[in-house]
Amino acid sequence: EVQLVESGGGLVQPGGSLRLSCAASGFTFSTYWMTWVRQAPGKGLEWVANINEDGSVEQYADSVKGRFTISRDNAKNSLYLQMHSLRAEDTAVYYCARSESYSYGPWGHGTLVTVSS
Amino acid sequence: QTVVTQEPSFSVSPGATVTLTCGLSSGSVSTSSYPSWYQQTPGQAPRTLIYNTKTRCSGVPDRFSGSILGNKAALTITGAQADDESDYYCVLYIGSAIWVFGGGTKLTVL
Repeated sequence: EVQLVESGGGLVQPGGSLRLSCAASGFTFSTYWMTWVRQAPGKGLEWVANINEDGSVEQYADSVKGRFTISRDNAKNSLYLQMHSLRAEDTAVYYCARSESYSYGPWGHGTLVTVSS
Repeated sequence: QTVVTQEPSFSVSPGATVTLTCGLSSGSVSTSSYPSWYQQTPGQAPRTLIYNTKTRCSGVPDRFSGSILGNKAALTITGAQADDESDYYCVLYIGSAIWVFGGGTKLTVL
């Protein structure tokens, strides 16, 4: 069974940094693109970033470009999202998802990031 | 800035058919937009329903179908059931390695 478990969320001050992790199991992690998607409280889904199988290709939404970095460690079956210069509008539940055939899924249950002073 | 448009809300009677759409603020949706559809109930992670316009994910009931209707992607639920009451999101590839979700449609079954 595919499992994706996010961690690393929490409360951070504006301008601060945070690193999210996503532990993957139940599939051959190194053969899939992976994705981060976020959802602000009471709002819709927002695509954040993609990374290809070996980490050589990264794609970002304009809203996070230059502040967030997606990465992966295939030896540890783990996906990461390093977030810098955090803003109040980055407050959201962050989901990791496997990417296949230009779609996303399965999904993790998400980790909440709150940016507030 | 390209916006992906969805109906904010829709209401359907049990057993009826409903079609939700996913469009672009400028331009038309095609199979090259690789539309996919997701269902989300409050407090839960999204669930993938349809990808590549019309391919149903494993385990998704066949009452859910995807298509291109005119210049939009469409998700049709044939014979809506009470537990189809959810938020539905589409996502489109708009080019230049950018993906954009629609704002979502809140479907009420009553």
